[in-house]
Amino acid sequence: AQTVTQSQPEMSVQEAETVTLSCTYDTSENNYYLFWYKQPPSRQMILVIRQEAYKQQNATENRFSVNFQKAAKSFSLKISDSQLGDTAMYFCAFVDSNYQLIWGAGTKLIIKP
Amino acid sequence: DAGVTQSPTHLIKTRGQQVTLRCSPKSGHDTVSWYQQALGQGPQFIFQYYEEEERQRGNFPDRFSGHQFPNYSSELNVNALLLGDSALYLCASRRTVNTGELFFGEGSRLTVL
Repeated sequence: AQTVTQSQPEMSVQEAETVTLSCTYDTSENNYYLFWYKQPPSRQMILVIRQEAYKQQNATENRFSVNFQKAAKSFSLKISDSQLGDTAMYFCAFVDSNYQLIWGAGTKLIIKP
Repeated sequence: DAGVTQSPTHLIKTRGQQVTLRCSPKSGHDTVSWYQQALGQGPQFIFQYYEEEERQRGNFPDRFSGHQFPNYSSELNVNALLLGDSALYLCASRRTVNTGELFFGEGSRLTVL
C-alpha cells in the first residue's frame, strides 16, 4: 500500500527563523507527483509547492523549497524567513497513477512573534 | 475567476439522516474529487468523477455516493449517517490532463449528533 508519513505532529519556531518539515513516502511507482499543502484555520487547502518525481532539481517557490531524495523516498519542506502567516497545518501528499491523493497526517506549524 | 465553491459551509444532522453536499469546480476544470477530513487528521480520498462517471473510489462504504452533472459540478451524498461521519468534506477539481494542478474548496463541515 502507498503511504505518506509525517513524523512531526507539531513544530514551533520564532518568526524569521528557518524550519524544515519532514515527509517520507512509500510507493512502487516510478513517475508521480509530490505536494506540500498548507491548511490555515480558514480550512482551505492551499498548494505550497509540488515536485515531479522525474525531475532531479528540487522545486522552489520564493521562501519555500524542498529536498527531494527519490531513492530514500524523502520529501522535506524548508521554509526560510518564516512569517506569522505561515502558521497552519502542513500536509505532505502523493498522487498515484489513479490520480488519488494520498495524504500524511499533517504537521502543525506555529510561528511565534 | 471563481475557484472551487462548496455548499453548505456548515450543517448539523442526526444519526440515520441523509445529507447532500455540493461542489462547483474551478472554471475550465472537468474532474472533481471528494475527500473526508476528520478532525486532526489528513484527508482521505472518497471518490473521483470525470465525464459524469465515478472513476476511482477510496475505501468508503456504499452509503457514500456521488454524482457529476454535465456542467461538471458534483454532489456527495451520505445515507444513514453515523457519528463517525462527522468531518470536513473537501472538494477538489482539476483538468484531467493536468495531474499537478489540484484546487480545493473551503469544505463543508458536517456534524452528526
